[in-house]
Amino acid sequence: GESVGLHLPTLSVQEGDNSIINCAYSNSASDYFIWYKQESGKGPQFIIDIRSNMDKRQGQRVTVLLNKTVKHLSLQIAATQPGDSAVYFCAEKEPPGKSTFGDGTTLTVKP
Amino acid sequence: DTGVSQDPRHKITKRGQNVTFRCDPISEHNRLYWYRQTLGQGPEFLTYFQNEAQLEKSRLLSDRFSAERPKGSFSTLEIQRTEQGDSAMYLCASSLAYDGEKLFFGSGTQLSVL
Repeated sequence: GESVGLHLPTLSVQEGDNSIINCAYSNSASDYFIWYKQESGKGPQFIIDIRSNMDKRQGQRVTVLLNKTVKHLSLQIAATQPGDSAVYFCAEKEPPGKSTFGDGTTLTVKP
Repeated sequence: DTGVSQDPRHKITKRGQNVTFRCDPISEHNRLYWYRQTLGQGPEFLTYFQNEAQLEKSRLLSDRFSAERPKGSFSTLEIQRTEQGDSAMYLCASSLAYDGEKLFFGSGTQLSVL
């Protein structure tokens, strides 16, 4: 079936650098996308979302970009901090209620 | 604590035994979801409720799995005749129907089947 996938399973960055985490999706009917952060021993935590009628949305230190032409989603984290180290998942919302998750990217921030 | 609560946090059982997990969602949330997650993978959808109605079940969900939400508040997930392949983290999430896309997750129940 159709699924959400991530381009890289791991990403290592230096503290203070910007991070970019990528995700490819294949379900053209998906109209809502969410990024979650999961720390060890915890459930995923909502970071930022974007609807399909938008191509960019900004939060505090995070930006999500959506390219519907190539079905690509990215999460940009500015000035990455050690506390940003976690696994990041993108998820796509399938009407009417289910979210489908990709396999995640493990972000490691080196001090 | 007003977040999603799951109990127990850890469960070790022998193959063939039945287990039951409980989830208490955020009180004003009317949607409740169950997901399963194995190491290195993203959460896999199992089922979800709106109030007490179970609206969708994954086709991957074996008939050994059953979930209930009898009063539209807390939910239970039961696995009968557990198998080693059932070992995973079972995550519960809740949301508001009009904002059903944003899920609030609990910390999960880690199941180990020996």
